[in-house]
Amino acid sequence: QQPVQSPQAVILREGEDAVINCSSSKALYSVHWYRQKHGEAPVFLMILLKGGEQKGHEKISASFNEKKQQSSLYLTASQLSYSGTYFCGTGVNNNDMRFGAGTRLTVKP
Amino acid sequence: GAVVSQHPSWVICKSGTSVKIECRSLDFQATTMFWYRQFPKQSLMLMATSNEGSKATYEQGVEKDKFLINHASLTLSTLTVTSAHPEDSSFYICSATQGPGGGYTFGSGTRLTVV
Repeated sequence: QQPVQSPQAVILREGEDAVINCSSSKALYSVHWYRQKHGEAPVFLMILLKGGEQKGHEKISASFNEKKQQSSLYLTASQLSYSGTYFCGTGVNNNDMRFGAGTRLTVKP
Repeated sequence: GAVVSQHPSWVICKSGTSVKIECRSLDFQATTMFWYRQFPKQSLMLMATSNEGSKATYEQGVEKDKFLINHASLTLSTLTVTSAHPEDSSFYICSATQGPGGGYTFGSGTRLTVV
């Protein structure tokens, strides 16, 4: 079953923050986050495995709620390079990864 | 870091012909690889899970006789689109993971155009 992502699209000015949400109707084994730029393959951002886990790299971070049914991706002080489509992915035992519909992020100067 | 090589990057073929796409894990062994298809502005849809030394597992609605998957070694999986038709035109992407708890590494994708 595919996770549900929101919002579908967001437009930001450079330096602004954004939050992308990913939810499931049942508990998840893990949540992955990827970014895909137009015409390219998705690039792995991070994986969360434990309920309550939070992690980040530079100004992009993510959380995985206690009940393991929702994850959020936080982009702080966005940069032009953050533009792209963000996908969350979920699977059972890290196999058969299924992706949400994606959130198209556009960062403008 | 883990690298997955996929080729060709693009291919144009005539309707009715077959096309083979290769996916290689360059610096790690992958007993399992995954094949996805992505239509423009849409999400990645899992087509099948490729298992080294055994039959692939196909998602519901994916024709296994049309999309032949062979995972002959721990570093190579191939997807052959047989008797391709224009509706098969899409972006095909493979991926692999180094193990439980790891992220997926994607190949660069293959854009297939059937004319």
